[in-house]
Amino acid sequence: TQLLEQSPQFLSIQEGENLTVYCNSSSVFSSLQWYRQEPGEGPVLLVTVVTGGEVKKLKRLTFQFGDARKDSSLHITAAQPGDTGLYLCAGASGAGSYQLTFGKGTKLSVIP
Amino acid sequence: DSGVTQTPKHLITATGQRVTLRCSPRSGDLSVYWYQQSLDQGLQFLIQYYNGEERAKGNILERFSAQQFPDLHSELNLSSLELGDSALYFCASSPTYSNQPQHFGDGTRLSIL
Repeated sequence: TQLLEQSPQFLSIQEGENLTVYCNSSSVFSSLQWYRQEPGEGPVLLVTVVTGGEVKKLKRLTFQFGDARKDSSLHITAAQPGDTGLYLCAGASGAGSYQLTFGKGTKLSVIP
Repeated sequence: DSGVTQTPKHLITATGQRVTLRCSPRSGDLSVYWYQQSLDQGLQFLIQYYNGEERAKGNILERFSAQQFPDLHSELNLSSLELGDSALYFCASSPTYSNQPQHFGDGTRLSIL
């Protein structure tokens, strides 16, 4: 069974601070996705990383895929209250399908 | 708005009962995925359908079943419900069956009393 461990589980920071969320596994994934989920809504895709070592930027969010495609990180610069939510990483695997294995998420609260 | 529609939004029922959750995928998407999200287990993949055929199975109990109809909407049937089945159930869709990002609906919150 493939597992994705996310850390930290909970993070509460002040507006303007930087933070990094980690997603680790002992398994290799063909790609890894990051989602943000807000209460009462489904997860919303932020980014997909495919190549080992890949770095993608989405405004103040920087995503990195590990060289061995087993881990990933999400760095947020100058966090804002609108960044508050549950951040989920999901690894894709499975020939002929697109099964996603999700981590349990990091719950981020950005305090104004 | 992801374009994926799930109904009902909330469902309250009793142990031993049977319920059906419905999902309409985004226009043009052929694949539908079902997930269960609980506080202790996180988001767990249940089953995937592609163009009417079962494509992949995850941690789906034998009491649960799903199908995808010719118009591509899907239904998840949960029977002999137990207290532990209380959870959020999400449907997601993607254009094909591999290497495509999934777009999620807003879920059905199932509460078993």
